[in-house]
Amino acid sequence: ELKVEQNPLFLSMQEGKNYTIYCNYSTTSDRLYWYRQDPGKSLESLFVLLSNGAVKQEGRLMASLDTKARLSTLHITAAVHDLSATYFCAGNYGGSQGNLIFGKGTKLSVKP
Amino acid sequence: EPEVTQTPSHQVTQMGQEVILRCVPISNHLYFYWYRQILGQKVEFLVSFYNNEISEKSEIFDDQFSVERPDGSNFTLKIRSTKLEDSAMYFCASNRQEGGYGYTFGSGTRLTVV
Repeated sequence: ELKVEQNPLFLSMQEGKNYTIYCNYSTTSDRLYWYRQDPGKSLESLFVLLSNGAVKQEGRLMASLDTKARLSTLHITAAVHDLSATYFCAGNYGGSQGNLIFGKGTKLSVKP
Repeated sequence: EPEVTQTPSHQVTQMGQEVILRCVPISNHLYFYWYRQILGQKVEFLVSFYNNEISEKSEIFDDQFSVERPDGSNFTLKIRSTKLEDSAMYFCASNRQEGGYGYTFGSGTRLTVV
């Protein structure tokens, strides 16, 4: 059974600083996903990482995947207040009909 | 951009009552899912649905839950006799292909059981 662990669960940052959110998963995952959720809102897809060594960047966010270490990272560069949200990673695995298994989420707060 | 539409956005119900949560997936998607999120917690898989039948369900999805695609456009989640612990945000999602990376989530229905 796939388990997904994120850390940290809470992250308070100052604007302009860099930080990394880590996502470890317990067994082979076909793909690794990152979602953003604003309070009371739905899940917004950020990245889908398909293979070992995959790196994707969008604005101040960059996600990477190391399948050998079973680790994905979401790196935040020069944080701004608008990035304040909860970030979830999720995996799925073969034979699961594509069901996503989510981590507990990282609540990011970016302060001026 | 195509959307997954969920109604209602908020439902309050008394314990023991039946509720039906509705979803309209993206029209060319074939795989449908329900997830739930208890306030402040992680998103949990409930059930997946393909070709008019359940593909997989989690331990949460017990006999009190059922899903249906009654008319080719709607996808519903029914909770027969709600409990306080069913209070959560329920998200519908759809995907064009099995395990395809094009998951689209709806905006959610906040269910409050009192």
